[in-house]
Amino acid sequence: AQKITQTQPGMFVQEKEAVTLDCTYDTSDQSYGLFWYKQPSSGEMIFLIYQGSYDEQNATEGRYSLNFQKARKSANLVISASQLGDSAMYFCAISGAGNQFYFGTGTSLTVIP
Amino acid sequence: GAGVSQSPSNKVTEKGKDVELRCDPISGHTALYWYRQSLGQGLEFLIYFQGNSAPDKSGLPSDRFSAERTGGSVSTLTIQRTQQEDSAVYLCASSSLGFYEQYFGPGTRLTVT
Repeated sequence: AQKITQTQPGMFVQEKEAVTLDCTYDTSDQSYGLFWYKQPSSGEMIFLIYQGSYDEQNATEGRYSLNFQKARKSANLVISASQLGDSAMYFCAISGAGNQFYFGTGTSLTVIP
Repeated sequence: GAGVSQSPSNKVTEKGKDVELRCDPISGHTALYWYRQSLGQGLEFLIYFQGNSAPDKSGLPSDRFSAERTGGSVSTLTIQRTQQEDSAVYLCASSSLGFYEQYFGPGTRLTVT
């Protein structure tokens, strides 16, 4: 079984500042993938970043980076230089041997001008 | 190319009626997922199709829910004898392999009155 925990229901960040969204996971699989998705108020789910469990380097995609700490089972998303358009719900997800995806409950990020 | 499409975008139905929701995945994607997202909640896994393999139905909440995927492409999620608690946004996603990022459709907002 796999589980994702996102403990921050809501976060606020000043525009141009960096913010970290927390994600911890639990899995019995040796090989798995970790994902972050953004869901704006319009409702679409937008893929942001992926980290494989065997990847030694932290994944980065533009202003997004994933702080992967395997021993602690955490996969925090770091957004640098926040923009007003970053205001959205952010979901962490895990996929493993069964190819199911399990999503966390999400974190609502508000960027303050 | 075209993304994942879903129809209808909105569906209002009376309690007790059956509904069918359609998902057209990205061409060539072998994996297809259905999720349910209740208001302000995360994504709840419903069912997963991978190629010609038997679907993983472990997330279906009751026997009123069923899904099929014809010809390895289009999928239909059917909810029989709808209840008010079935009101949610139903999201479909596809991926080239179950382990990699999913591409989501815009969702179908189902309201049961």
